[in-house]
Amino acid sequence: EDKVVQSPLSLVVHEGDTVTLNCSYEVTNFRSLLWYKQEKKAPTFLFMLTSSGIEKKSGRLSSILDKKELFSILNITATQTGDSAIYLCAVGRDDKIIFGKGTRLHILP
Amino acid sequence: NAGVMQNPRHLVRRRGQEARLRCSPMKGHSHVYWYRQLPEEGLKFMVYLQKENIIDESGMPKERFSAEFPKEGPSILRIQQVVRGDSAAYFCASSLLHRSGNTEAFFGQGTRLTVV
Repeated sequence: EDKVVQSPLSLVVHEGDTVTLNCSYEVTNFRSLLWYKQEKKAPTFLFMLTSSGIEKKSGRLSSILDKKELFSILNITATQTGDSAIYLCAVGRDDKIIFGKGTRLHILP
Repeated sequence: NAGVMQNPRHLVRRRGQEARLRCSPMKGHSHVYWYRQLPEEGLKFMVYLQKENIIDESGMPKERFSAEFPKEGPSILRIQQVVRGDSAAYFCASSLLHRSGNTEAFFGQGTRLTVV
């Protein structure tokens, strides 16, 4: 059965800390790995990764994919209270996108 | 260029009534996904549709739930004879399938269904 597993499930850190969120997967017909940020409502798209070893960056966020070991990480440096959210990892196949349960990140001021 | 539009944002139904949730994809997108999210949980896949075609409904309960994406108009997720356990946030996402087969999905704001 296809699965996407995220860890940790929840994380509380202080503003300014760096966090690493993990996502491992076992999915047939892998096409891409996706990261989303969900605050109060709709998930918003962060990254799409398709190739191993190529880091994608957007401001303080970065992500990388390892297709051999079947995992991805999402890094957030110099965290701010606005980074508090649920971070969702998902794997795109030909026919659907499969989501993990998410990591709930809370940044303390 | 409007994003994915879902309505209503909030829906309250009594047990046994029908719930209809609508999703208009982003302009130019012909693929629609429906997901359900329970409190404190991630998004759970329900169904994947293209125009006039259900591609994968493996996440849909066998009874009471149906989905369609007609040639004209929004995609509809229909829940008949709702029960308390149907209370959840229902998210719709649309995507544009790239030639490479890779795709990212963009989400609507969701419909929060409450069954009383």
